[in-house]
Amino acid sequence: QQQVKQSPQSLIVQKGGISIINCAYENTAFDYFPWYQQFPGKGPALLIAIRPDVSEKKEGRFTISFNKSAKQFSLHIMDSQPGDSATYFCAASIENSGGYQKVTFGTGTKLQVIP
Amino acid sequence: SQTIHQWPATLVQPVGSPLSLECTVEGTSNPNLYWYRQAAGRGLQLLFYSVGIGQISSEVPQNLSASRPQDRQFILSSKKLLLSDSGFYLCAWSNPSGDLNGDEQFFGPGTRLTVL
Repeated sequence: QQQVKQSPQSLIVQKGGISIINCAYENTAFDYFPWYQQFPGKGPALLIAIRPDVSEKKEGRFTISFNKSAKQFSLHIMDSQPGDSATYFCAASIENSGGYQKVTFGTGTKLQVIP
Repeated sequence: SQTIHQWPATLVQPVGSPLSLECTVEGTSNPNLYWYRQAAGRGLQLLFYSVGIGQISSEVPQNLSASRPQDRQFILSSKKLLLSDSGFYLCAWSNPSGDLNGDEQFFGPGTRLTVL
């Protein structure tokens, strides 16, 4: 019930195209859904995040679409650029009884944007 | 602004040797601290978390241990490394529970550990 399923595992997109990564979750108690971007050899960096009371959030070329009834959310990267080539992780979190935010990560999508 | 440091950046250790990885956070007080391991092609697995000095909780049974001797210092250790301990180790911090921004976790640059 704590799983977050992410697809696709890898994605190749032409420069200027739209990259779409999908995630699905089971636990309806999750209350925060971040996306992380990770470049090789580096730690993940928070890209954009959404809470379940909002259906869409946009920051620049990055948009999260959230479907609470379907328990799905997705990341759209508009006008994809070679510099966007990285691994993207979706995640879902809930405040644990121990007083911290327990984050469950998807398995990652390796995005390659080709010129 | 807050920054998080990890060292060493890379480490090659023989099986059976001890391990000590260090993480420090600057620019914040009483953060929640986390150790994650990332295996190749897989997501991040939470190993330990800490909500205060000396308070450590483990998520999975394993060959590793963690300690928090100071408010902004988090250490990952092992007495005897196994081959299966190889991986990319990430430290992260978040604001304390109850803080409006407490949901966000900020990751360090990671340590690449290879056990031979």
